[in-house]
Amino acid sequence: ETGVTQTPRHLVMGMTNKKSLKCEQHLGHNAMYWYKQSAKKPLELMFVYSLEERVENNSVPSRFSPECPNSSHLFLHLHTLQPEDSALYLCASSQDGASSYNEQFFGPGTRLTVL
Amino acid sequence: DAKTTQPNSMESNEEEPVHLPCNHSTISGTDYIHWYRQLPSQGPEYVIHGLTSNVNNRMASLAIAEDRKSSTLILHRATLRDAAVYYCIPSLIQGAQKLVFGQGTRLTINP
Repeated sequence: ETGVTQTPRHLVMGMTNKKSLKCEQHLGHNAMYWYKQSAKKPLELMFVYSLEERVENNSVPSRFSPECPNSSHLFLHLHTLQPEDSALYLCASSQDGASSYNEQFFGPGTRLTVL
Repeated sequence: DAKTTQPNSMESNEEEPVHLPCNHSTISGTDYIHWYRQLPSQGPEYVIHGLTSNVNNRMASLAIAEDRKSSTLILHRATLRDAAVYYCIPSLIQGAQKLVFGQGTRLTINP
């Protein structure tokens, strides 16, 4: 166990549904990340939050909406997705501090299928 | 972001050393070299990182070329549990680390 949990682990949704992915970290970190891993494509960084503020948005379509209510929780709200959005969505956390190395700890991911 | 080149796949035998190469010829002077790996059905996990000097930790060693245009991750005695995709990532050390993953090297370990 890495200290980062994600729910649900699997999700099937239609293109008109609205769903949310949840990530929780138990490591006391203050930075959290969403990544997307599609079949045959490298991991892509989607969003970065540091101290609950979004510091990176990598040209992600607006049908993906992140939310970071506190330093331990991160959500990814999904609406009107497309079949090409089917992928493994990974959450990670790290400590945002300049004085030491800040490796990222990843959760197991949510396998999303859009029909 | 510096471009990296890694072999698509490598194969080794259990209890033998494994040398995983990475070319990063466009690396900037302030980029560190990070290595992560992704075991089957899991998220990636940190392995090791370095700037100029060779580095060792409990998981692996990292050998960095003098010109920093390439590096090699060394697993001294591979086990079946080391079968994974290994990613080499040049990146600044910064608070919220923005890692750019490439295709990585899929390592297969034979019993």
